[in-house]
Amino acid sequence: NAGVTQTPKFQVLKTGQSMTLQCAQDMNHEYMSWYRQDPGMGLRLIHYSVGAGITDQGEVPNGYNVSRSTTEDFPLRLLSAAPSQTSVYFCASSSIGAGAYNEQFFGPGTRLTVL
Amino acid sequence: GQQVMQIPQYQHVQEGEDFTTYCNSSTTLSNIQWYKQRPGGHPVFLIQLVKSGEVKKQKRLTFQFGEAKKNSSLHITATQTTDVGTYFCAGPRTGKLIFGQGTTLQVKP
Repeated sequence: NAGVTQTPKFQVLKTGQSMTLQCAQDMNHEYMSWYRQDPGMGLRLIHYSVGAGITDQGEVPNGYNVSRSTTEDFPLRLLSAAPSQTSVYFCASSSIGAGAYNEQFFGPGTRLTVL
Repeated sequence: GQQVMQIPQYQHVQEGEDFTTYCNSSTTLSNIQWYKQRPGGHPVFLIQLVKSGEVKKQKRLTFQFGEAKKNSSLHITATQTTDVGTYFCAGPRTGKLIFGQGTTLQVKP
């Protein structure tokens, strides 16, 4: 049981490049989400999904796309990287019970630098 | 902007002193969760509070959920250097789970 895995751990991009951050979970969780963490800003929600085929925007969705074709995978795509997207990105997943999100399991994070 | 507010942003204490972080929401929350993130690590779940006025304890940590379910607190008694990290609260908002800005705790030995 690997929990939540994220790849890569570190990435350096040039402005304008695109890339995909991978996230996978093996706990059969319905809810998956992406957060970015910047100093003094806490964890800000980018996109989330409550099941395969269902995605929605979070607090800071601009410049990012997601898809959820399977329960296990929730990749985050940066369309045209900008220096403002330099951050640490966390993927998280949880089960949904009684209409509420349960304990969030976080991946180890991806540290992205955009030059 | 952030819809779940946490204060203070930073706190430095001497080892053995107590520490409290507060989480406030402008609207009623159905539940609230608390997480701890060690430096260089990822957030790890601590606890979930659901009931109005609920109080839960985990060793030296005491968690409270306000009567109106709009605020919550985490209190650490007699801090230790192992308590260093950032503490986040999180609450559900319109189908999303929103985190506060976090309180970073430094403990001087």
